Amino acid sequence: DADVTQTPRNRITKTGKRIMLECSQTKGHDRMYWYRQDPGLGLRLIYYSFDVKDINKGEISDGYSVSRQAQAKFSLSLESAIPNQTALYFCATSGSGRGTGELFFGEGSRLTVL
Amino acid sequence: TQLLEQSPQFLSIQEGENLTVYCNSSSVFSSLQWYRQEPGEGPVLLVTVVTGGEVKKLKRLTFQFGDARKDSSLHITAAQPGDTGLYLCASGTYKYIFGTGTRLKVLA
Repeated sequence: DADVTQTPRNRITKTGKRIMLECSQTKGHDRMYWYRQDPGLGLRLIYYSFDVKDINKGEISDGYSVSRQAQAKFSLSLESAIPNQTALYFCATSGSGRGTGELFFGEGSRLTVL
Repeated sequence: TQLLEQSPQFLSIQEGENLTVYCNSSSVFSSLQWYRQEPGEGPVLLVTVVTGGEVKKLKRLTFQFGDARKDSSLHITAAQPGDTGLYLCASGTYKYIFGTGTRLKVLA
């Protein structure tokens, strides 16, 4: 099984619908991240969390919310999806300690908003 | 906010050729990571460079960190089709910012 698991892997939805993307990890890491990937724009940070009680906004948090239900679980919600939120979403984790840590990514969740 | 610019954006070469891709920053890097992403997968770390002037080698891949820690390069010698992918640089202490990526295609 993958160390970082994302569900669903693919989702097609309609404008205005609420969507939740889930991420779970077995690496025992404290830090978890949600990124969005669009062609030509690389990966952009949406939210990050350093522990269950710590949630921080990233570069592009508008229109998104997150929940850290447990050390191993970090979910991303789109309360009312819009077409420009169509993208590939990645969850990542990293260990604590000095900041040259490696990011471990899930396989991604492809979201299409019609 | 630190910006990471990568060049070229796209690169298509024949097997056996050499290539270099670049990552430049608007400010000094704390450290710099290079990742490779293959289709349908998440990025995977290749290397981390920390010290200005540092050079690291990973088989046919050579990573260099600029003396002023504001730029980095990735050189691939004798590229192979298996090197095809999206190469991303990233920097940060606790919050990692990524570059726009270089999409490499190596033709057999």
